[in-house]
Parts: sequence; C-alpha cells; structure tokens
Amino acid sequence: NAGVTQTPKFQVLKTGQSMTLQCAQDMNHNSMYWYRQDPGMGLRLIYYSASEGTTDKGEVPNGYNVSRLNKREFSLRLESAAPSQTSVYFCASSVKETQYFGPGTRLLVL
Amino acid sequence: LAKTTQPISMDSYEGQEVNITCSHNNIATNDYITWYQQFPSQGPRFIIQGYKTKVTNEVASLFIPADRKSSTLSLPRVSLSDTAVYYCLVGPEGGYTGRRALTFGSGTRLQVQP
Repeated sequence: NAGVTQTPKFQVLKTGQSMTLQCAQDMNHNSMYWYRQDPGMGLRLIYYSASEGTTDKGEVPNGYNVSRLNKREFSLRLESAAPSQTSVYFCASSVKETQYFGPGTRLLVL
Repeated sequence: LAKTTQPISMDSYEGQEVNITCSHNNIATNDYITWYQQFPSQGPRFIIQGYKTKVTNEVASLFIPADRKSSTLSLPRVSLSDTAVYYCLVGPEGGYTGRRALTFGSGTRLQVQP
C-alpha cells in the first residue's frame, strides 16, 4: 500500500495563478483532510471530508476550495493564489482517531 | 474542542528517558488523546493513543491520570533519530465533528544530543 500520496511535491506560482493539489489514499478510509503548515507552526485544518460527497470548512478555509472526487481522492484548489498561501500543504486520511499523512506539497507564491 | 498545552521545547541526551506532558483541562468525556511525531519536511506520524490509564506500544508509553486533564508521553532510551516535534491532540472519535477540528498546536520540539 502506498498510503497517502500527494502531487506535486513542490510548486511555484505567481500571484493570481490557480492550481489544484492532488491527494489520494488507498486505505479505504472515509475521512480525509487538508492542512497547511507555516514555518515553525503547527498544522491548521483547511477542509475536511467525512465521506465521499461531503466536505466541511476547517479553521482556515478562505481562498481554498475542495472536491471529494471519490472515496480515494480529495483535491484542494487555489483559485487565485496569494503570497499568504505560501506554505506546506498536507493531506491526511483517518480511521477513527488516527490520521495518516501524506508527504506534503511545498507551495511558494511569488 | 479541548485546548492542549505543551512545553515548547525539550532537550535530552541519547539513552535517557524523555517525558513530555500535555495539559488538556477541558477534555470531554468522549475525547481520546493522541500523540503524533513530525520530522522536518515530513507529515506527522501517529505514535500512540489512549483514553485512560496507561497504554504502551513498541515505540512509547502514554500515561493518563484518572481525571484525564493531562497526559504524559514517555519515550524510553531516546536516540538521535527521536529528534522531532511531538504533538498532543485531544478530540472525539473520528477526529472531526461539524466544525470541531483536531487542533495540532505548535507541539514540543525535542532535541536529542549525543
């Protein structure tokens, strides 16, 4: 099993550009999450999906949209990137209380 | 959601036992306590989880007193590779209910020296 995979690993955007971060898990988990982590900080939840077809806003949803395409995939879209969105983005899936994280996507917005 | 408080950083030497305490005074009846470890440039990794008393696995032990207002992660005989950030999380089964999200906080930076 690959666990949780994320693409791309690294991306540079110009202000105003859009992009989609991809996440997939092969553990048959219902719940999936998107977090962002700024330097020296803990993780902050952007969006959450309890199951296919459902999504909920987390702590910092502004500037982001998500799609739970199917049980395996949960994508995060930045419609108009801003420098404040420069961060490392982690996707996770969970069973009960335990979350499993992907390797992260480093995003730099110039 | 119960807020957690951990020391910002800790230092230790190889071979020592390290105990990291987390305070969660407002823990709810159905909340679990989960600890994660994060290395630089990686996502957090599950270490251990408990509800009450003591839990032990091959990596660590988790001690939870009867009032559950705090918990202590114990790492026996640490090595250099245990240098990481450790997060204490408190939340309901499933991790997220409505707008109640698992909050990672800033964690405890453990530095293990030779």
